[in-house]
Amino acid sequence: QKEVEQNSGPLSVPEGAIASLNCTYSDRGSQSFFWYRQYSGKSPELIMFIYSNGDKEDGRFTAQLNKASQYVSLLIRDSQPSDSATYLCAGVRNNDMRFGAGTRLTVKP
Amino acid sequence: DADVTQTPRNRITKTGKRIMLECSQTKGHDRMYWYRQDPGLGLRLIYYSFDVKDINKGEISDGYSVSRQAQAKFSLSLESAIPNQTALYFCATSVPGRPRDEQFFGPGTRLTVL
Repeated sequence: QKEVEQNSGPLSVPEGAIASLNCTYSDRGSQSFFWYRQYSGKSPELIMFIYSNGDKEDGRFTAQLNKASQYVSLLIRDSQPSDSATYLCAGVRNNDMRFGAGTRLTVKP
Repeated sequence: DADVTQTPRNRITKTGKRIMLECSQTKGHDRMYWYRQDPGLGLRLIYYSFDVKDINKGEISDGYSVSRQAQAKFSLSLESAIPNQTALYFCATSVPGRPRDEQFFGPGTRLTVL
């Protein structure tokens, strides 16, 4: 079992809808969590990070962390075709970052 | 100019050959990382270095070695390449606490071992 699990998708949503991406982790010692976006053939780029329980909002993106349930999510409001990419969830413990396999999101015009 | 560069960007080699992938950064970060990415497996850490004299094994270090020649340079070597090392390799850098070890990735090197 991977330490960080994500549904590989593909997840397809219509333009303007809310896309919900989910991630679970097995290491309770994980201290902070990151969401990276990766376009096909490109390198990952940071979207959000979160380390406290609850919600964190940045523009159209909201990250949610529930440490008791070992669950992290990313909500994308008003999804745009340009949001179509693979989203990687990662957890860090003591400088060791572990990534999930990623969820592929397609936003259809 | 890119802050994190990788050379070569693409490489095709044969089984048994020695290969070196190079990473350079102008971000001034002390921490550098090498990852490989395979379809369905995500990114997996190979080695990381927190400064020039510090080298640490990651999740999948077998078959790889690294050299931290300077703060700005971190090389990954495959001493005797094998086909299951065919993957996309990323170098990354970070500085602690900004924010909480955000990592900045290079453009990647696509390696094919025949």
